[in-house]
Amino acid sequence: DSGVTQTPKHLITATGQRVTLRCSPRSGDLSVYWYQQSLDQGLQFLIQYYNGEERAKGNILERFSAQQFPDLHSELNLSSLELGDSALYFCASSVGAGPAYEQYFGPGTRLTVT
Amino acid sequence: AQKVTQAQTEISVVEKEDVTLDCVYETRDTTYYLFWYKQPPSGELVFLIRRNSFDEQNEISGRYSWNFQKSTSSFNFTITASQVVDSAVYFCALSGANTDKLIFGTGTRLQVFP
Repeated sequence: DSGVTQTPKHLITATGQRVTLRCSPRSGDLSVYWYQQSLDQGLQFLIQYYNGEERAKGNILERFSAQQFPDLHSELNLSSLELGDSALYFCASSVGAGPAYEQYFGPGTRLTVT
Repeated sequence: AQKVTQAQTEISVVEKEDVTLDCVYETRDTTYYLFWYKQPPSGELVFLIRRNSFDEQNEISGRYSWNFQKSTSSFNFTITASQVVDSAVYFCALSGANTDKLIFGTGTRLQVFP
């Protein structure tokens, strides 16, 4: 158990809908990262927050947005969902910001868009 | 551009065999970090090791060992006396000095048969 929690574990929804994925980092960690794992794209970095501020952005679609709250938990919002958004979404956390810190991953949220 | 190549898509071995998973990376950064993660059938990503570009010493942790060679841009992972519980997908990842995001390879699926 990495100490990173993600809810829900599974999510099934229809095209065009909007969902929110939630992540609680390990106690003491200030950085939160979101990654998407799909069969065709592999594991891809989406976005990172550090202590409430956006720090880095990757291949995140405009339909997707995220935020980190004062209690350091983070939410990833996916809207106007398409079939291709079906994937495993991981949240990771680290103590600080910078590549020297290990990222610890949560169990993931499996999103299925029908 | 940064890139990680795991040319072995799938490897099958019988218990107690030694197995090496290959990882080749590309980066223009002089400072960078390399990682290995394990993804068992349950789906979570488990951190195994982080190595920075200035430390070329090999590392051993129990049955696991890592061989980092800057001359060939490789960071290979060896499991000695493999066990059924080692069956998983293993990912090699890279991050640069100025970015926190992890660039993942496509993963190698290891199946260890009894």
